[in-house]
Amino acid sequence: DGGITQSPKYLFRKEGQNVTLSCEQNLNHDAMYWYRQDPGQGLRLIYYSQIVNDFQKGDIAEGYSVSREKKESFPLTVTSAQKNPTAFYLCASSIGDLGVGNYGYTFGSGTRLTVV
Amino acid sequence: SQQGEEDPQALSIQEGENATMNCSYKTSINNLQWYRQNSGRGLVHLILIRSNEREKHSGRLRVTLDTSKKSSSLLITASRAADTASYFCATDAFDYKLSFGAGTTVTVRA
Repeated sequence: DGGITQSPKYLFRKEGQNVTLSCEQNLNHDAMYWYRQDPGQGLRLIYYSQIVNDFQKGDIAEGYSVSREKKESFPLTVTSAQKNPTAFYLCASSIGDLGVGNYGYTFGSGTRLTVV
Repeated sequence: SQQGEEDPQALSIQEGENATMNCSYKTSINNLQWYRQNSGRGLVHLILIRSNEREKHSGRLRVTLDTSKKSSSLLITASRAADTASYFCATDAFDYKLSFGAGTTVTVRA
């Protein structure tokens, strides 16, 4: 079955630690996205990538970093510079330019990050 | 930035009733999409309506779009317990990324 896999499902971070959230898709989608969701709120865009080896900052990129070395993978690193990282993180993909206009996004099941 | 705003924030209905929620946005759009999120899960794409369309149906879902008022509505007919979820509108403002609203939480009572 095609889809997006996020891992781990739950992640605990200590103060001052960097952690990396995994996102892998086998849908052959060009575009991938990372969103952050806080309780009772909508999704805020962290980073997005339209093509391999290229990515752009979203609305809340400070304290986060990404890479896009392979079409299938778009890992997100939450750095120690992110002062309030506790949230639910969602990865999504779409076909690309045409995808957003016609097919929407496919989402992973999310990673819940907690600072301890 | 969050462009869409859903109304109401929460909705509680009896099984079998219809549920209506609205979305308002601020800028011109290419299309508007609705997603469902079950508690603690990812979002699921429900329906997409393009800026030149006024109404669209998918099963028990009916979406309208009024670009002059910059608003959309989602109607779920004959609701079921399984429809209990949060519903989000998302707008594509010609920049190849979606902006999501804060969502409407729908509870369907048996």
